[in-house]
Amino acid sequence: AQSVTQPDIHITVSEGASLELRCNYSYGATPYLFWYVQSPGQGLQLLLKYFSGDTLVQGIKGFEAEFKRSQSSFNLRKPSVHWSDAAEYFCAVAKPNTGFQKLVFGTGTRLLVSP
Amino acid sequence: GAVVSQHPSWVICKSGTSVKIECRSLDFQATTMFWYRQFPKQSLMLMATSNEGSKATYEQGVEKDKFLINHASLTLSTLTVTSAHPEDSSFYICSASGQGPADTQYFGPGTRLTVL
Repeated sequence: AQSVTQPDIHITVSEGASLELRCNYSYGATPYLFWYVQSPGQGLQLLLKYFSGDTLVQGIKGFEAEFKRSQSSFNLRKPSVHWSDAAEYFCAVAKPNTGFQKLVFGTGTRLLVSP
Repeated sequence: GAVVSQHPSWVICKSGTSVKIECRSLDFQATTMFWYRQFPKQSLMLMATSNEGSKATYEQGVEKDKFLINHASLTLSTLTVTSAHPEDSSFYICSASGQGPADTQYFGPGTRLTVL
């Protein structure tokens, strides 16, 4: 079945340490790929997106993600985590068979930042 | 960035009543609006897609007579949960996009619905 997988439900990282959140997708054709962050009381905010071209994508707040076609992955990274990064992170894909309009979300990874 | 608001942010209602949730794009014209449902500790599930002036397109398994969607203008879409029951309790989130496929969706803060 077509899906988006975020294997880590929770991740705890020390402030200042590096972060990598995993995302895998299973679609026949390469979809458009997104990472969103959800903070309490706020709407989902787009961190970055990949449509084509350079497989290393830079986003806001110091985040980046790398698309690896061979692994069907789009992992999110940040070299140094800040306490304010604690939130829920969602990977999403826009399916090719919907004209790349509809988003399918992974189950999310909750990031906890320890002092 | 573009701002999307939702009203109310939370609502509690009795079983059998109907509840309307508004989604507004504050500083851009939203050609397309989407409605999602999010269960606790779970992902967002797309319920329906609405284009201004057209009938909404519902995802498989979503009851269109229960979840009425109206997108009467380029800045406003409403979701009405009719004859709500406790199993309809959830977090409802809307998003709006301006134009074209894969255009960035801007999300509202969500509405927490609790049906007693």
